[in-house]
Amino acid sequence: EVQLLESGGGLIQPGGSLRLSCAASGLTFSTYAMSWVRQAPGKGLEWVSAISGSGGTTYYADSVKGRFTISRDNSKHMLYLQLNSLRAEDTAVYYCATHYDFWKGAFDSWGQGSLVTVSS
Amino acid sequence: DVQMTQSPSAMSASVGDRVTITCRASQGIYNYLAWFQQKPGKVPKRLIYAASTLQSGVPSRFSGSGSGTEFTLTISSLQPEDFATYYCLQHNNYPRTFGQGTKVELK
Repeated sequence: EVQLLESGGGLIQPGGSLRLSCAASGLTFSTYAMSWVRQAPGKGLEWVSAISGSGGTTYYADSVKGRFTISRDNSKHMLYLQLNSLRAEDTAVYYCATHYDFWKGAFDSWGQGSLVTVSS
Repeated sequence: DVQMTQSPSAMSASVGDRVTITCRASQGIYNYLAWFQQKPGKVPKRLIYAASTLQSGVPSRFSGSGSGTEFTLTISSLQPEDFATYYCLQHNNYPRTFGQGTKVELK
């Protein structure tokens, strides 16, 4: 059974930085693409970023491009999201999710989420 | 970017009702459309992918259809545990985009 566990969320001031982590188990991690999806309080789902299994290809939503960086360490079965220059509108629960096919996969397994609150 | 428009945004239904939710894409996405169910405070759960492929373990009362730009999620006989918010997702290209959600409430 695939298990994903996010960590690293918390309260951060506008302009600050944070790194989210996602620990994966129950899968051959390096063969899976991974994404981050977020959900602002009371709002819908928004895809944030994706990374291929090798880590060599990444994509970002326009809303976070240039501020967020996705990365992974396949030896540790870990996915990361570095959040810089945070804004109030980045406040959300951040989920990590797997998709076997980087180009056409739809998020099949999700973590429990990590809440990021950007406020002074 | 592909815009996904769901309708209705909310609906009231009774146990046993047949429920249909529609998702329209702003451009053709072949059959790369998934449906998710989310209950309050819970993690989204994938129900269907590739427009009509039922996720393992999902009850057969859920079905999906469509291709190109118009897709539907049908619940053939609504059960008490089905009251939730449903989202469509296009998984044809990047950026991935979700519909705004359809909240199914008890009438």
